[in-house]
Amino acid sequence: DAMVIQNPRYQVTQFGKPVTLSCSQTLNHNVMYWYQQKSSQAPKLLFHYYDKDFNNEADTPDNFQSRRPNTSFCFLDIRSPGLGDAAMYLCATSRPGTVNQPQHFGDGTRLSIL
Amino acid sequence: RKEVEQDPGPFNVPEGATVAFNCTYSNSASQSFFWYRQDCRKEPKLLMSVYSSGNEDGRFTAQLNRASQYISLLIRDSKLSDSATYLCVVLTYGGATNKLIFGTGTLLAVQP
Repeated sequence: DAMVIQNPRYQVTQFGKPVTLSCSQTLNHNVMYWYQQKSSQAPKLLFHYYDKDFNNEADTPDNFQSRRPNTSFCFLDIRSPGLGDAAMYLCATSRPGTVNQPQHFGDGTRLSIL
Repeated sequence: RKEVEQDPGPFNVPEGATVAFNCTYSNSASQSFFWYRQDCRKEPKLLMSVYSSGNEDGRFTAQLNRASQYISLLIRDSKLSDSATYLCVVLTYGGATNKLIFGTGTLLAVQP
C-alpha cells in the first residue's frame, strides 16, 4: 500500500500559470520534504516541515511556496512557473531526530511547462 | 566541491559481472549513509543503509570508511533488473530534522 501519495503523477501547466502539487502520507511522520529533480541531476531539497515549522533552503526561489494544513498533507505551490521549473517534484517523509532513519518517497509529480 | 560525489558512470556491464560504485562526502559531521536506487522517471527507493562495519544484503555489499569519508557499493552477479541509477545519499542530523544530500547518481546498464 502506498504510504506517501503524490497527485497528480503528471501535471502540465502554462508558463506563468500557478500550479499546486499535493502530497499525503499515512505514516504519521512529523517531517515532510519537497525535492526538485531535473533530468540527470540529484534531487535538490526545496524545503521541509517539522510539524508546522517551515524550513526553507537558502537557494529555493521565492516562486516556490508550501503549505501544510495538517500532519497528513503538504502542498507545493509554484506561483509563476517558468520553463526552468519543469522537473520531477518529489515528496518525502521521515521521523524526526532519528539517525539512520531514511526518508520515504512518493512516486513524484512530473511537471511540464508549455 | 560537491557535498557528495560519485563515479561519473555510466557503467555498462554484462550479466553476471561484479560492479563497484564509489562515493565520497565532504561533511565529516554526516551521520548516516544510504544507497538509493532510482529507475528511469521513478522516485528514489532505499536500497540499503551503510554501516561502519560493512553490511551485505544478498548480492549487494556496502562499505563505509569514515576516516576517508568514502562509501562503496558492490553488486555481484549482476542481473538485467539491476539496471538503474544508484544514488549515494548522506544524512546529516540537524537537530530536530534530518537533511539528506544526494549524489548525482551513477547509471548502471546491465547487458544481456
